[in-house]
Amino acid sequence: GQNIDQPTEMTATEGAIVQINCTYQTSGFNGLFWYQQHAGEAPTFLSYNVLDGLEEKGRFSSFLSRSKGYSYLLLKELQMKDSASYLCAAQGGDDKIIFGKGTRLHILP
Amino acid sequence: IAGITQAPTSQILAAGRRMTLRCTQDMRHNAMYWYRQDLGLGLRLIHYSNTAGTTGKGEVPDGYSVSRANTDDFPLTLASAVPSQTSVYFCASSSIGGGSYNEQFFGPGTRLTVL
Repeated sequence: GQNIDQPTEMTATEGAIVQINCTYQTSGFNGLFWYQQHAGEAPTFLSYNVLDGLEEKGRFSSFLSRSKGYSYLLLKELQMKDSASYLCAAQGGDDKIIFGKGTRLHILP
Repeated sequence: IAGITQAPTSQILAAGRRMTLRCTQDMRHNAMYWYRQDLGLGLRLIHYSNTAGTTGKGEVPDGYSVSRANTDDFPLTLASAVPSQTSVYFCASSSIGGGSYNEQFFGPGTRLTVL
C-alpha cells in the first residue's frame, strides 16, 4: 500500500534548528515534496527532491534517501512566522501525489 | 485573475442539496486536482484531471463528480450533500510532463458545512 508517516506535532525555540522527518511507501516514486500550511490558509510549496541528497534553499533544506524511503525538512534560525503545519507528499509512479497528515510546528519565544 | 481561485469562500448547505464548488486557474496548467482536508486526516485527493477532457478518481471520490471542459476550469459537484462532506476543499493545479516536476499550486479553499 501507499503511506506517508510524519510526526503529528513538534515544538522548537525561536532561533534554533528543527528537523521534521517523513517516511514514505509508494508504488513507484517520482519525487518528494514539502509544503508549508499556515492555519486557515492554503498549502504553499517549499521544496522538491527526486535524487538522493540535500537541497538547500535559504533557511530551509530538504533531504532524500530513496533507498530508505526517508526524507526530512530542516529549518534553521527559526522565526515565529515558521509556526505552521509542514506537509510531506510523495509522488508515485503514476504521478499521483499522496500527502501525509502534516506536522504541526510550534515555535516558542 | 492571478493564479488559482475558488468560489465560494464558504458555504452552509442543507443535507440533500446539490452544490458546485468552482475552481479556475490562469496558469495554463494541464493538471488540476480537488482535495478535502479534515482535522487529523490531512489532504485527501477526491478527483483529478491530467488534461482537459479527462478526469480520474482519487482516494475519496464517492459522492463527488467533476468535469474538465477546458484547461482553466475544474468544478466539483456534490449531487446530494451529506454531513460527512463537511470539510475544507482545496483545488490545485500543476504542470506535468515536459521534464518539469509537478509542484502543485493551491487555491485559497472553500469551507463547506453540511447540516
